Amino acid sequence: GESVGLHLPTLSVQEGDNSIINCAYSNSASDYFIWYKQESGKGPQFIIDIRSNMDKRQGQRVTVLLNKTVKHLSLQIAATQPGDSAVYFCAECANDYKLSFGAGTTVTVRA
Amino acid sequence: KAGVTQTPRYLIKTRGQQVTLSCSPISGHRSVSWYQQTPGQGLQFLFEYFSETQRNKGNFPGRFSGRQFSNSRSEMNVSTLELGDSALYLCASSLVSGAEGYTFGSGTRLTVV
Repeated sequence: GESVGLHLPTLSVQEGDNSIINCAYSNSASDYFIWYKQESGKGPQFIIDIRSNMDKRQGQRVTVLLNKTVKHLSLQIAATQPGDSAVYFCAECANDYKLSFGAGTTVTVRA
Repeated sequence: KAGVTQTPRYLIKTRGQQVTLSCSPISGHRSVSWYQQTPGQGLQFLFEYFSETQRNKGNFPGRFSGRQFSNSRSEMNVSTLELGDSALYLCASSLVSGAEGYTFGSGTRLTVV
């Protein structure tokens, strides 16, 4: 079978390396997915989104991959910087009104 | 332009009391949604308002209620507070009804003692 990344609650990455954050979503009817970054004392900040008719979308230093077959979403951050240290959440949306959030991954960037 | 503004930022209340939280959306945004964030349950949807109408509601008891005013500002109210209501309450606004284009505020940290 196809191998997919496991969701990890924490991720430690060396500055300058690439980061990959994985997320498994639950609802096969979800058609809209978003990655958020949350820093301490702040609300979630939009990073990138993707619709279910796509399997890849790129932004500035970030790429989101969607695998609908295994209900898996990943966020890749290129050349990770200290300012990328935060909690990252994936969210899925099936009815356009509400988001269902994943548990979150705490990313720590080592200098 | 100004972002989503939530007031107050911090609040301490006693069990049994009630509390009202306020959210001012980005100018021009007509949809306001509320989420509760706790370490144990993560981020959970409370309700969404669009043009003063509640469009969707999450699985929370009736003690949690909200409303939206004609200027799109929203308030949520929690009555008969319980210790488990301690959480970060987040408000998000978007231009039209729905999750696309959400911008979150910094939240109100409610502590129930």
